[in-house]
Amino acid sequence: NAGVTQTPKFRVLKTGQSMTLLCAQDMNHEYMYWYRQDPGMGLRLIHYSVGEGTTAKGEVPDGYNVSRLKKQNFLLGLESAAPSQTSVYFCASSYGAEQYFGPGTRLTVT
Amino acid sequence: GENVEQHPSTLSVQEGDSAVIKCTYSDSASNYFPWYKQELGKRPQLIIDIRSNVGEKKDQRIAVTLNKTAKHFSLHITETQPEDSAVYFCAASIGRTNAGKSTFGDGTTLTVKP
Repeated sequence: NAGVTQTPKFRVLKTGQSMTLLCAQDMNHEYMYWYRQDPGMGLRLIHYSVGEGTTAKGEVPDGYNVSRLKKQNFLLGLESAAPSQTSVYFCASSYGAEQYFGPGTRLTVT
Repeated sequence: GENVEQHPSTLSVQEGDSAVIKCTYSDSASNYFPWYKQELGKRPQLIIDIRSNVGEKKDQRIAVTLNKTAKHFSLHITETQPEDSAVYFCAASIGRTNAGKSTFGDGTTLTVKP
């Protein structure tokens, strides 16, 4: 089992560019989440999904969109990147409450 | 919504000493309290958890205590070692009732000096 994987691991964007982060899990988990982690601010929930074809907003959803076309994949999109979106992004999945995290994507927006 | 506060934000101890990290939560419906350890440049990983029907849980050098009345829970690490140095996050969750969502504390950076 690979668990939770994320691509890419690193990315540098210019302001206004767009990109998609991919999260995949092979544990057949229903729930998936996208977080951003900034220094001193812990993990903040961006969007989450309770199943294939469903998504919902988390604590900090502005500037991001998500899609879950397949149960094992959860995509996070930035349509027009801003410097404030420089962060480390973690995907996670769960069956109940225990969450399994991916290795993270370090995104820098210049 | 749920609010989780974690203290202290940084903690430095000598190798062999104990370390205690405390968290408070606001939603009395929360019933699952995990602790995650995040080493530098790595992903958060669950190290111990406790459910609201239990007051204390131990796993070797790590223990967690829960006081539901006061809405606080704590992580205790005994006989600390340099490899315990990391950022520790507490979280509170209502479990599947709320899509498994967890609210995280802001983290405690633990440094264990050899």
